[in-house]
Formats: sequence, C-alpha cells, structure tokens
Amino acid sequence: AQKVTQAQTEISVVEKEDVTLDCVYETRDTTYYLFWYKQPPSGELVFLIRRNSFDEQNEISGRYSWNFQKSTSSFNFTITASQVVDSAVYFCALSEATGNQFYFGTGTSLTVIP
Amino acid sequence: NAGVTQTPKFRVLKTGQSMTLLCAQDMNHEYMYWYRQDPGMGLRLIHYSVGEGTTAKGEVPDGYNVSRLKKQNFLLGLESAAPSQTSVYFCASSYWDLSYEQYFGPGTRLTVT
Repeated sequence: AQKVTQAQTEISVVEKEDVTLDCVYETRDTTYYLFWYKQPPSGELVFLIRRNSFDEQNEISGRYSWNFQKSTSSFNFTITASQVVDSAVYFCALSEATGNQFYFGTGTSLTVIP
Repeated sequence: NAGVTQTPKFRVLKTGQSMTLLCAQDMNHEYMYWYRQDPGMGLRLIHYSVGEGTTAKGEVPDGYNVSRLKKQNFLLGLESAAPSQTSVYFCASSYWDLSYEQYFGPGTRLTVT
C-alpha cells in the first residue's frame, strides 16, 4: 500500500486561480513528519515545508498555505493566485520516526497557464 | 557554497557494466541519501547514511551498494547494471536525521541499454 498518496497526477489552472494539491498519508507511528517539495522544470527538488505530527496548526507563507488534518490523514497544499513560476511537480513526503524510512508520493504536476 | 553536487550528470551503460555515482556536500551534514526517480513512481529511497562509515537500506536497495568513507561524500555503486536501473538518481543531505529537510543535488540521468 502507498504510504503517501497524491491522487491528482496533473492539474492545469489559469494564472491567478487558486489551486489545492491533495496529499493523504498512511502511518501507524504517533511521531512522524510531513513535507512538501517542489521540482521545477530544471529538475532539482526544493524544500517547501515540514510539519511534525504534534503540530496541526495550519501554516501560511505568502501565497502558499498548508492544511494538516490528522483526523483525515491529509496534508493539503494550496497556492493562492497562482503564477506561471508555480508550474512544477509537487511532492508530498512522509518520514516515520520508527523504521527510519522516508516516503515520497508520486507527485502532482501543476501547469499554470498565462 | 556549492550545496550538493553530483557526478556525472549523464551516463549510458551497457547491461552488466559497473559504475559509481559520486555525491558531495559542503554543508557538514550528517545524513546523506540516494534516491531514484522513475515516471509515475515519485522518488524512492535506495540507501542512506547516518554518518561517516555508516549506511542503511532504504525502500529499494537491491542491486546497489553505497559507501561513505568521508563525511562529505556518498558513493552509489552499480556492480552489474540492468535496464531496470535506468532512472534519474538524486542525492540529498540533511543536517540530522530523516525528520529534517533535505537538500538535493541536480540529479544524474542513467540509461542502461
């Protein structure tokens, strides 16, 4: 079974639209960490955010916001007023404290159309 | 400050050949990682290192070996390449363990024919 599921394979939006990228995870650990990474067309992955399992506060950073809900095992990512530079593949990831493993989702390819 | 670098950027191998990918980081990070990225699969952890001289298996370790003789370097070896190992390989490092953010290299595109 997938540890991290990103059901949206590809999304296209028109510039300035808001878009939400979904991430659902599966773990039995009580201590775990969730991440989002961005992979622009250049190929190199860039860290966006890290959340531990004890901190369910939503986070906002500029046009980016994250909604962490343990009750639904989800860690969704919203881009407000999308821009062409947001076009990239976005990966959600899970780190489990026990077992010392790291799992990426399969990624969501976002295209922002000017 | 180069961050994480990978050598080479591209490589073509024939089935059965061997090769070593080199990863270097200049951030004095303890942990280093090797991933492979395949279409539709995301990134999968191959091996990682928790410090100089220590390595551990990831999700997909078979067919690969690693070594960390120096803190700043992490080598990924393929002893007998197979077409199934055609992939893009990424190296990463983090200040401490897997709960920390990882810094990625630019990737190595490997084709095995």
